[in-house]
Amino acid sequence: AQSVTQPDIHITVSEGASLELRCNYSYGATPYLFWYVQSPGQGLQLLLKYFSGDTLVQGIKGFEAEFKRSQSSFNLRKPSVHWSDAAEYFCAVGARSGYSTLTFGKGTMLLVSP
Amino acid sequence: DAGVTQSPTHLIKTRGQHVTLRCSPISGHKSVSWYQQVLGQGPQFIFQYYEKEERGRGNFPDRFSARQFPNYSSELNVNALLLGDSALYLCASSGGLLNSGNTIYFGEGSWLTVV
Repeated sequence: AQSVTQPDIHITVSEGASLELRCNYSYGATPYLFWYVQSPGQGLQLLLKYFSGDTLVQGIKGFEAEFKRSQSSFNLRKPSVHWSDAAEYFCAVGARSGYSTLTFGKGTMLLVSP
Repeated sequence: DAGVTQSPTHLIKTRGQHVTLRCSPISGHKSVSWYQQVLGQGPQFIFQYYEKEERGRGNFPDRFSARQFPNYSSELNVNALLLGDSALYLCASSGGLLNSGNTIYFGEGSWLTVV
C-alpha cells in the first residue's frame, strides 16, 4: 500500500526567507505526486504535480518541487516566503494503475513570522 | 467556469441521524471522489465514481454510501452518525483517470459536526 510521510508538523519561516517542506513516499513504483495547499476553513488548492519527465516541477504562487527517485522524495520549495503563504500544505501520491485516488500525508502547517 | 461546488457548507447533526452531502463536479468532468478530513489530519479517500459507476472504496464502514447521477453530480450519505464522523467532507472531480494525465480538483468542502 502506498503511504506519504511529511515529517514536519509545523514549520515557522520568516517572511522573505526560503522554504523547503519535506515529503517522502512509499510506493512500489514511481507514483504521480502532488502538493496541495489548504487555507484555514478552506478546501484544497493544487500547487503543482509531477506525472513524468523533468524532475523539477514549477507550480503556482512561485512554488517548485523536485522529484528524487533515489530518495523517494518530493520536497516543496519557495525562494522567498510571503505572509500570505501561511497555510497547511499536503503532499499526496496517486497510483499509476487501478483507481485514481490520492493518498495524503498528514500535512505541514507553515507559519510566517514578520 | 465554476469549480467543484458542494452543499451544504456547514451542518450540525445529532448522533444516530442521517446526512446527505452533495457535490457538482467541474463542467465536463466525469469522475467524482469523496474524502474525509478529520481535524489535524490529511484527507482520507472514501469513494470514487467514474462514469456513474463505483470505481473505488476506501476503508470506511457500510454506513457510508454514495452515488453518481446521470449529470455526474454526486451524493454522499452517512447513516447512524457517530461523534467520530465530525469532519470536513471534500468532493473532488477530474476529467478522467489519473493515468490519462488528469488532475484532481477539490471543492471547499462540507463541514459536518455531530453532537
